[in-house]
Amino acid sequence: GQNIDQPTEMTATEGAIVQINCTYQTSGFNGLFWYQQHAGEAPTFLSYNVLDGLEEKGRFSSFLSRSKGYSYLLLKELQMKDSASYLCAVRDAGGYQKVTFGTGTKLQVIP
Amino acid sequence: NAGVTQTPKFQVLKTGQSMTLQCAQDMNHEYMSWYRQDPGMGLRLIHYSVGAGITDQGEVPNGYNVSRSTTEDFPLRLLSAAPSQTSVYFCASMGGDNYEQYFGPGTRLTVT
Repeated sequence: GQNIDQPTEMTATEGAIVQINCTYQTSGFNGLFWYQQHAGEAPTFLSYNVLDGLEEKGRFSSFLSRSKGYSYLLLKELQMKDSASYLCAVRDAGGYQKVTFGTGTKLQVIP
Repeated sequence: NAGVTQTPKFQVLKTGQSMTLQCAQDMNHEYMSWYRQDPGMGLRLIHYSVGAGITDQGEVPNGYNVSRSTTEDFPLRLLSAAPSQTSVYFCASMGGDNYEQYFGPGTRLTVT
C-alpha cells in the first residue's frame, strides 16, 4: 500500500517562493504526480516525476528523490490565483499501477 | 475533444436508493478511475480499470460497483445509498507519454 504525507495548510506572501513537501512510503513506486485544485473544482495536472531530480515548468518546479521517498513542489513569484490545494499522488509499480493521493496541502497566498 | 465528462453534476438520493454515475472520455485512455473526496480526507480511490473488461478495487470499494464494457465509458453504481456516501465523486482517465491524469468536473452527491 501507500502512505503519503503532506502538510495540511501553508500560508505565503504574494511574490514570494513556497515549497510544499510530500513524503511517501510505498510497496512499489512508478512515479509521483502533483495536482492543483481550486475550491469547488476538479484537480488539474501540474507535473509527473519518474526520475530523481528537478523538473521546471514556468513558475512551478517539482523535485523527486526516490531513495528518500520525498518530493516537493516549488512555486515561484506567487500570485493570488495560486491559492488552492496542492495534491501529491503516487503511482504504483506493477501491472495495474493505481494512483493514490495524499490529503493535500491548502495554500493561502496573502497580499 | 471533450476530455472527461461526468453526469449528473448534482444528485440528491434517499437512503436505500440506487443510481449510476456516468463517466466518459474521448482520449482513448486505457486507465480510468473513480475517486471520492471528503473534507480532510483527500481523494480516495474507489475502483479503477486498466482497460475494457478489467476492473479492480481501490481503497474504499464497499457499496460501489463498476464495469468497463468499452474504453470510453466507466460508470459507477451505488447499490443502496447511505448517508456515508455523501461526497463529491470524480472520474479520471490517464494516458499519454506523461501519464497525465485528467479529471471530470465532479458529481456532488447528497444522501439523506
